[in-house]
Amino acid sequence: GAGVSQSPSNKVTEKGKDVELRCDPISGHTALYWYRQSLGQGLEFLIYFQGNSAPDKSGLPSDRFSAERTGGSVSTLTIQRTQQEDSAVYLCASSSGQGQSPLHFGNGTRLTVT
Amino acid sequence: AQTVTQSQPEMSVQEAETVTLSCTYDTSESNYYLFWYKQPPSRQMILVIRQEAYKQQNATENRFSVNFQKAAKSFSLKISDSQLGDTAMYFCAFSKGTYIGTDKLIFGTGTRLQVFP
Repeated sequence: GAGVSQSPSNKVTEKGKDVELRCDPISGHTALYWYRQSLGQGLEFLIYFQGNSAPDKSGLPSDRFSAERTGGSVSTLTIQRTQQEDSAVYLCASSSGQGQSPLHFGNGTRLTVT
Repeated sequence: AQTVTQSQPEMSVQEAETVTLSCTYDTSESNYYLFWYKQPPSRQMILVIRQEAYKQQNATENRFSVNFQKAAKSFSLKISDSQLGDTAMYFCAFSKGTYIGTDKLIFGTGTRLQVFP
């Protein structure tokens, strides 16, 4: 596709359930980032992939959060045993990781935990 | 650790006027980039303008320009001839390194800009 695609666009889940959020980066982009944006707040870094490996996962807030990337393309962010404080917009971005190519962001997934 | 501070939670400007959004940052890095991103209600982050730290000349993109004061660690965004479509959240961001996309962006908390007719 032409841009970064995230699905679902919106997700409502009950407290305690697991959720999976998907990110399809721009074709050929080796760098992929996940960010979390809580209501009215800035973007909080979660994890960075270069290819399939994650050299920086320092932003994952707890062991309930995990992410993987397969084939150097699609990435999935999984939140286990969701809590109400997990409610936020989860944004994905990708970059070619070389030269001066900026980050391209998707439209995000709005997660609501009830 | 790097930090980015935006001290203006909200700003407003009348259409066709000029407005300046403030941003300060803290880093000990010598190579880095600074960015301004716009986030309209659609949620998508749109790159407005970027500045390489090694460049002394301030970046400009049409109606958007920055005032980069490296010694003061200040990076303000000036929007000239404001338009209704400029209404959005604006985020200042920092990325260390020589190349974009090899390290994470660190964002400020944002400034909500409202442009009035």
